Amino acid sequence: SQTIHQWPATLVQPVGSPLSLECTVEGTSNPNLYWYRQAAGRGLQLLFYSVGIGQISSEVPQNLSASRPQDRQFILSSKKLLLSDSGFYLCAWTRGGYEQYFGPGTRLTVT
Amino acid sequence: DQQVKQNSPSLSVQEGRISILNCDYTNSMFDYFLWYKKYPAEGPTFLISISSIKDKNEDGRFTVFLNKSAKHLSLHIVPSQPGDSAVYFCAASLTSGTYKYIFGTGTRLKVLA
Repeated sequence: SQTIHQWPATLVQPVGSPLSLECTVEGTSNPNLYWYRQAAGRGLQLLFYSVGIGQISSEVPQNLSASRPQDRQFILSSKKLLLSDSGFYLCAWTRGGYEQYFGPGTRLTVT
Repeated sequence: DQQVKQNSPSLSVQEGRISILNCDYTNSMFDYFLWYKKYPAEGPTFLISISSIKDKNEDGRFTVFLNKSAKHLSLHIVPSQPGDSAVYFCAASLTSGTYKYIFGTGTRLKVLA
């Protein structure tokens, strides 16, 4: 069966510090991978998605970036965090545009 | 431009009764629709989906209805249970091309015991 991991589960970072969130998927190959953010009281905002190694599509211009160094690894990064980057970050995967499965999420608080 | 809308931010239902959650979309090219349930501080859990070639899909207590002409879908939960209390998101996707998923803003369901 397929499993998706995200870490860390929670993170408190000062403004201006860098960020690296990691997501890995087990039990499947060549998944489509996604990063979402849920701000407090808001819906799920698609940030990035990737249909293959090295292929990243950005949905929202911001100071975040994503990379996919391996088939089942998706990384969300920032060089300098802003207060507005606080939120709940979710990684998800899918095969072929049907059911999409989410990881447990990372709660990021920028102080 | 919000392509998927959930106009009711919250809904309260008595235990044992039917819960109906609604979702509207604007892009007629969407061909796959999904419902997710989310508890606080957890990732969304997939509940049920429907292809645009169908108008109904049922799985246990959950039924999703799709009205393509109205660009409207709904999730029915019968009977509602206290454990169903959560935020429900609808999502729409294009199964060819970019495989992007567009989510609504969610409806918080509270089932009263």
